[in-house]
Amino acid sequence: QVQLQESGPGLVKPSETLSLTCSISGGSISSNYWTWIRQPPGKRLEWIGYMSPSGGTQYSPSLKSRVTISMGTSRTQFSLKVTSVTAADTAVYYCARISSIGGYNPALDLWGQGTLVTVS
Amino acid sequence: DIVMTQSPDSLAVSLGERATINCKSSQSVLYKSNNKNYLAWYQQKPGQPPKLLIYWASIRESGVPDRFSGSGSGTDFTLTISSLQAEDVAVYYCHQQLTIPYTFGQGTNLEI
Repeated sequence: QVQLQESGPGLVKPSETLSLTCSISGGSISSNYWTWIRQPPGKRLEWIGYMSPSGGTQYSPSLKSRVTISMGTSRTQFSLKVTSVTAADTAVYYCARISSIGGYNPALDLWGQGTLVTVS
Repeated sequence: DIVMTQSPDSLAVSLGERATINCKSSQSVLYKSNNKNYLAWYQQKPGQPPKLLIYWASIRESGVPDRFSGSGSGTDFTLTISSLQAEDVAVYYCHQQLTIPYTFGQGTNLEI
């Protein structure tokens, strides 16, 4: 059974770079698209961007200038970097898998537990 | 961006009764290539990640109880819980995955 787990610092200083890793157990990057979502305290979920099995990426226009999603050091990890963070980047960050059905990608069918990152 | 608006923001339903949550998108989320609406519903309980319930507006994810159903097309969608159980207390989100940036509704808090 595939599981996802986010890891990284829980506290980041303003203007620095937030770095998180998503570890995939029971699977690999090869077979799906992978995404990062965040949820600021008391606010709705916000999509950050995704990475394809080949490493191609798409980002939310509102974050594009500050965000990088990339493969990790192994085919069972991918990462998120957000530069020049401010308090507005404080959120629970989730990694998730984009489902694949007949070549189409309708939803997010597997989520990590999430990790709280505070910018202060 | 496609704006997703849910109603109501909060809902209290008696055990065994029907719960209905609505979601309206600012643009159609119908993908003409496969005639599917790229609208999903998620359930989030406190301290847990969202869980996929419904995709393509009406397809129940594997393992989801059949009291959960989704309907709608284009810009107007509904999540229905036919007979509310205690374990259904959660926040429910709709989500469009047709157009970047993918977006979510503000959530509906469902209580007993």
